[in-house]
Amino acid sequence: EAQVTQNPRYLITVTGKKLTVTCSQNMNHEYMSWYRQDPGLGLRQIYYSMNVEVTDKGDVPEGYKVSRKEKRNFPLILESPSPNQTSLYFCASSFQGYTEAFFGQGTRLTVV
Amino acid sequence: AQSVAQPEDQVNVAEGNPLTVKCTYSVSGNPYLFWYVQYPNRGLQFLLKYITGDNLVKGSYGFEAEFNKSQTSFHLKKPSALVSDSALYFCAVRDIGNAGNMLTFGGGTRLMVKP
Repeated sequence: EAQVTQNPRYLITVTGKKLTVTCSQNMNHEYMSWYRQDPGLGLRQIYYSMNVEVTDKGDVPEGYKVSRKEKRNFPLILESPSPNQTSLYFCASSFQGYTEAFFGQGTRLTVV
Repeated sequence: AQSVAQPEDQVNVAEGNPLTVKCTYSVSGNPYLFWYVQYPNRGLQFLLKYITGDNLVKGSYGFEAEFNKSQTSFHLKKPSALVSDSALYFCAVRDIGNAGNMLTFGGGTRLMVKP
């Protein structure tokens, strides 16, 4: 089954404790991206990747890091999480920029 | 820069009535336009897209959308709403000339269909 898999689905952590949210897709897509969803703000892009070793900042990259060492994986790293990073995070992938994106189930992160 | 506006936070409609969810966009070049739906505790699901060609696009679950270049709009429509259509709907745009950025989303519109 074609899918984008994120882990974990839920995470509660403390301020400053490094964490990684994993994302994996099995569709051989070139494009991958991370979004955060906040009430009233829709989805805002954090980082995106056009291919292996090619990443770039989205609209809200501060406080986040990503890497794309393999085509299928695109982890999101929070080196020192803060409460304002409490949000619902989505990973997405697409074959090309003009094709539809497939989304993961989301990761609800709470930073206390 | 590219942007999307969904002017209504919520749309209420009775089951069986037609529905419209509005979306306007801004890009410097030509747009790729998308509609996605989000059900509770789920990721976003693709509904339909406009790339080129016919301005009326038909998608999943009986939804359609009309691309209007002069009004820079891409409103989502359905002739007869179902209670099961109740969900959060997002419009998204990508500038064809923007080689990098994936999608810019609107703030979302909650559709409530009442029996």
